[in-house]
Amino acid sequence: DTGVSQDPRHKITKRGQNVTFRCDPISEHNRLYWYRQTLGQGPEFLTYFQNEAQLEKSRLLSDRFSAERPKGSFSTLEIQRTEQGDSAMYLCASSWGQEAFFGQGTRLTVV
Amino acid sequence: QKEVEQNSGPLSVPEGAIASLNCTYSDRGSQSFFWYRQYSGKSPELIMFIYSNGDKEDGRFTAQLNKASQYVSLLIRDSQPSDSATYLCAVEYGNKLVFGAGTILRVKS
Repeated sequence: DTGVSQDPRHKITKRGQNVTFRCDPISEHNRLYWYRQTLGQGPEFLTYFQNEAQLEKSRLLSDRFSAERPKGSFSTLEIQRTEQGDSAMYLCASSWGQEAFFGQGTRLTVV
Repeated sequence: QKEVEQNSGPLSVPEGAIASLNCTYSDRGSQSFFWYRQYSGKSPELIMFIYSNGDKEDGRFTAQLNKASQYVSLLIRDSQPSDSATYLCAVEYGNKLVFGAGTILRVKS
């Protein structure tokens, strides 16, 4: 399967801990996106990369969140000092043209 | 604030019927519109996209776009129980998609 891959699929962490998620996009896709989704809501944009450049970051993204895509391939999303409000599904998507394809997501639970 | 509005539902239709899902958006400058299907606990799956006024058909799915009314719809013909899911409308704004909250569709056999 050469789709978008995310790791881990599930993460349970204690409040205040740091977590890091990984996304491997479809290989020929130069665009990569991170979204967050909570129950009953649509995905909410977090940040966007074109190749290795982070071109847009949501104002909703606090300074506890950081994302990287060092070689224009895989990406990581780190959340520092997690809070209960960070509990959500974190979705990665990639695209070449207009169509964006999502990975399976990482479900984060902060206890 | 870019907004995308959908009726949350649930929309219930009998098997074999046509399901009609609707979406409105706030920005007249929007050019591209997407429909995603999301099963419970899974990630969104792209069904189709449309950027020209009128209809676009793909199998049992038809997307309809009316830019003057800022309205996008998705028709599902011959609905099947396996179509039961949440349908997300998304509008492209610059480098990102803005999603509606989704409409829950239930197809009853």
